[in-house]
Amino acid sequence: DAGVIQSPRHEVTEMGQEVTLRCKPISGHNSLFWYRQTMMRGLELLIYFNNNVPIDDSGMPEDRFSAKMPNASFSTLKIQPSEPRDSAVYFCASRLLAGAQETQYFGPGTRLLVL
Amino acid sequence: AQKVTQAQTEISVVEKEDVTLDCVYETRDTTYYLFWYKQPPSGELVFLIRRNSFDEQNEISGRYSWNFQKSTSSFNFTITASQVVDSAVYFCALSAHQAGTALIFGKGTTLSVSS
Repeated sequence: DAGVIQSPRHEVTEMGQEVTLRCKPISGHNSLFWYRQTMMRGLELLIYFNNNVPIDDSGMPEDRFSAKMPNASFSTLKIQPSEPRDSAVYFCASRLLAGAQETQYFGPGTRLLVL
Repeated sequence: AQKVTQAQTEISVVEKEDVTLDCVYETRDTTYYLFWYKQPPSGELVFLIRRNSFDEQNEISGRYSWNFQKSTSSFNFTITASQVVDSAVYFCALSAHQAGTALIFGKGTTLSVSS
């Protein structure tokens, strides 16, 4: 069974450009998470969805960041306009939303560099 | 509030040594889950173990073992006879019992195993 799929794996862009990161969760999983990892701040939760509904977006840095989950098999994280401080690795993770706390499985990440 | 502390930022050992990675957590929940993830140099996050708070039995999987002690709020991870391939960043994480909540990660411990 395929794991969490993220694209692109690497992205280099210039300040001010729009960046869109994509995620396909594991089939059957109905909870999806976006994380950002930097050396300074470690792993930070940006937003997560249960059954395609955003539950907690308190980690989203500012209005330049937005995330959508139009259906159970696809999510996007968009940064517009991008800034150099957005450079990080962005991880998507998915989980089965069941009666108890299930394990999150992570995608390979997208390495974003904003020049 | 929930919090995970991994006090060891970096650990260096020589192959075949045993090494223990510490994890201390804080939560007001009476039931919760604990996790360990491994992030090798390639960058992906690999799930290692999930533990329920009501199950304090230690667990062993090959060279890996986990010691969960509620009395000290610790969930330590030991690698026996370490190998170079164990070199990675290891993250401890905590979540509430209820389904649909997010993980709280520690800052991670970087383990370097030399030959």
